[in-house]
Amino acid sequence: QQPVQSPQAVILREGEDAVINCSSSKALYSVHWYRQKHGEAPVFLMILLKGGEQKGHDKISASFNEKKQQSSLYLTASQLSYSGTYFCGTEMYSGGGADGLTFGKGTHLIIQP
Amino acid sequence: GAGVSQSPRYKVTKRGQDVTLRCDPISSHATLYWYQQALGQGPEFLTYFNYEAQPDKSGLPSDRFSAERPEGSISTLTIQRTEQRDSAMYRCASSETGSRETQYFGPGTRLLVL
Repeated sequence: QQPVQSPQAVILREGEDAVINCSSSKALYSVHWYRQKHGEAPVFLMILLKGGEQKGHDKISASFNEKKQQSSLYLTASQLSYSGTYFCGTEMYSGGGADGLTFGKGTHLIIQP
Repeated sequence: GAGVSQSPRYKVTKRGQDVTLRCDPISSHATLYWYQQALGQGPEFLTYFNYEAQPDKSGLPSDRFSAERPEGSISTLTIQRTEQRDSAMYRCASSETGSRETQYFGPGTRLLVL
């Protein structure tokens, strides 16, 4: 049930764009994206809900293909501060209650000046 | 509070000892989650609370792990008879109402079992 993230790692120059993908074999209720820097807590970036609503940041966007159970995170004009490990966390419908997130293995993003 | 806080930040213990980790969620948040994060991996769900109720314990690795949230605010995670494989970062997160809401993570407790 763990979502699959790709790529595993990516190295970019500052100003370049990046796309990180997350796919699940199960029907998803929501997809949550986090960025984690070494030694720090995961920081919320974006949430995508079944039904199309999304919440997030301005230089970061994401999509959620409900038919394919796939989500993509788009980082435009990357900055040095974007470096870190990106995790998608997926939530499956469980009858109305809260659910813990199932996280992928992460995508390591390195931005070089 | 302003964010999720956890204590202690670091805990070193000997195999066989019991440890208790504490989480103080964002004050207005009804739902509290516990995760275990191994080095280089994503967080792995352990259990969650909706106020003081604990609807899901499915992620707890064994019966040595237990969690409480008796008054619906602060929560503790207790590991009895610790083993070396319990060494990990333990993270707490909270959200306003639970499902389909943003989860805010705390700084974690790094547990090392010798």
